[in-house]
Amino acid sequence: DAGVTQSPTHLIKTRGQQVTLRCSPKSGHDTVSWYQQALGQGPQFIFQYYEEEERQRGNFPDRFSGHQFPNYSSELNVNALLLGDSALYLCASSLLGGAVYNEQFFGPGTRLTVL
Amino acid sequence: GESVGLHLPTLSVQEGDNSIINCAYSNSASDYFIWYKQESGKGPQFIIDIRSNMDKRQGQRVTVLLNKTVKHLSLQIAATQPGDSAVYFCAENKEGTSYGKLTFGQGTILTVHP
Repeated sequence: DAGVTQSPTHLIKTRGQQVTLRCSPKSGHDTVSWYQQALGQGPQFIFQYYEEEERQRGNFPDRFSGHQFPNYSSELNVNALLLGDSALYLCASSLLGGAVYNEQFFGPGTRLTVL
Repeated sequence: GESVGLHLPTLSVQEGDNSIINCAYSNSASDYFIWYKQESGKGPQFIIDIRSNMDKRQGQRVTVLLNKTVKHLSLQIAATQPGDSAVYFCAENKEGTSYGKLTFGQGTILTVHP
């Protein structure tokens, strides 16, 4: 049973460019959350997708957008990249059970470097 | 605003010792508290969680204690092993409209010396 997978593993971009990161949730999971983890910091919630819609969002600008596909996989898009966007981007999947907490399983992350 | 923080950024212990990692939180409305372990180059790995109506929960070699009076959370690791070396994060979650959002603390680096 595959866990959460993310691609690519590493990515180098220059300022102003756009990037797309991909995530496949754990088998049986229907909810995907994205987090940004700067070096030496804890992960920061970006947004969460369920039923192909953004369910809630953290304190991130509109340059950060996402999508969820019918097979529950998800993409994170970042436009007009800034140096400060350099971070580890983590995807977490869970099973939505109403308004009840469910354990989130994290992928290995995509390391984005903006030059 | 909401925040979850840690008292100590680093902790060094000898193999076989017990480790205690602490966390302070400010959102008294949180419903769940979770401990994650993150090894170098990997994503956070779930260790144990505790619901806000509990004071203590035990797992395999780990115990989480919750003191709501002083908004304090701790993770105890018994007989610490070199494989326990990692960064440990506490996180909190509130059921309802924001239940999918985990708020993480800064993390504690645990180093276990053989």
